[in-house]
Amino acid sequence: AQTVTQSQPEMSVQEAETVTLSCTYDTSENNYYLFWYKQPPSRQMILVIRQEAYKQQNATENRFSVNFQKAAKSFSLKISDSQLGDTAMYFCAFRGSARQLTFGSGTQLTVLP
Amino acid sequence: EAQVTQNPRYLITVTGKKLTVTCSQNMNHEYMSWYRQDPGLGLRQIYYSMNVEVTDKGDVPEGYKVSRKEKRNFPLILESPSPNQTSLYFCASGVGLAPREQYFGPGTRLTVT
Repeated sequence: AQTVTQSQPEMSVQEAETVTLSCTYDTSENNYYLFWYKQPPSRQMILVIRQEAYKQQNATENRFSVNFQKAAKSFSLKISDSQLGDTAMYFCAFRGSARQLTFGSGTQLTVLP
Repeated sequence: EAQVTQNPRYLITVTGKKLTVTCSQNMNHEYMSWYRQDPGLGLRQIYYSMNVEVTDKGDVPEGYKVSRKEKRNFPLILESPSPNQTSLYFCASGVGLAPREQYFGPGTRLTVT
C-alpha cells in the first residue's frame, strides 16, 4: 500500500514571503499522480496543483509550484508571495493504479500579517 | 453549476440509530467516493464506485455501506453508528474509472453520542 507523509504538522509564514511544504511518498509504481489540496476554514477541499509522474517538468499554478523529485519520492509545494487567504490546511495526495487517493496527514499553514 | 452536494451538512445522532448521508453530483461522473477526515490522519477512503452497481472497499470500510443505483447518487449508510464514527465526511466524484482529479462536496460533520 502506498503511504504519504507530511512531516510538518504546522507552519507559519509572513505575508508576502515564500514558504515550502514538504511531502514524501512511498510507492513501487512508475506511473502515478500527485496532488496538493487546500482546506480553508470553510472545510472545502480545493485542488491546488497536480503533477503527473511521467512529466519531468514541475507543475506551476500562479503563485504555487512544486518540486517533484521522483527518485527521492519527494513532492514539495512552494507558495510564493504568501497571502492571508492562503491560511489553510494543506494535504498532499497520491493516486496510483489503484482507483483511490491516499492522503497525508496535513500541514496547517498560517500566514501572518 | 457543476457541483457535488451532500446532505445533511451537520448531524448529531445516538449510538445505534441508522442514518444515511446523501451525495449527489450533476457532472455525469462515473467515479464517486466517500472519505472520512480525522485529526492527524488526513482523509481516508471508505468506499468508492466506478459506475452504477459497481462499488468497492477503500481503506476503512468497516461499519459503512454504500449503494450506487443511479449514476448521480452515492449514499453512505451507517447501519448502527458508533462514537468512533464521529468524523467529517466528504463525498467526491471524478471523470472516468480512475480520474485525474476528484471534485469534493462540502463535507458532513457527524457526531455520534
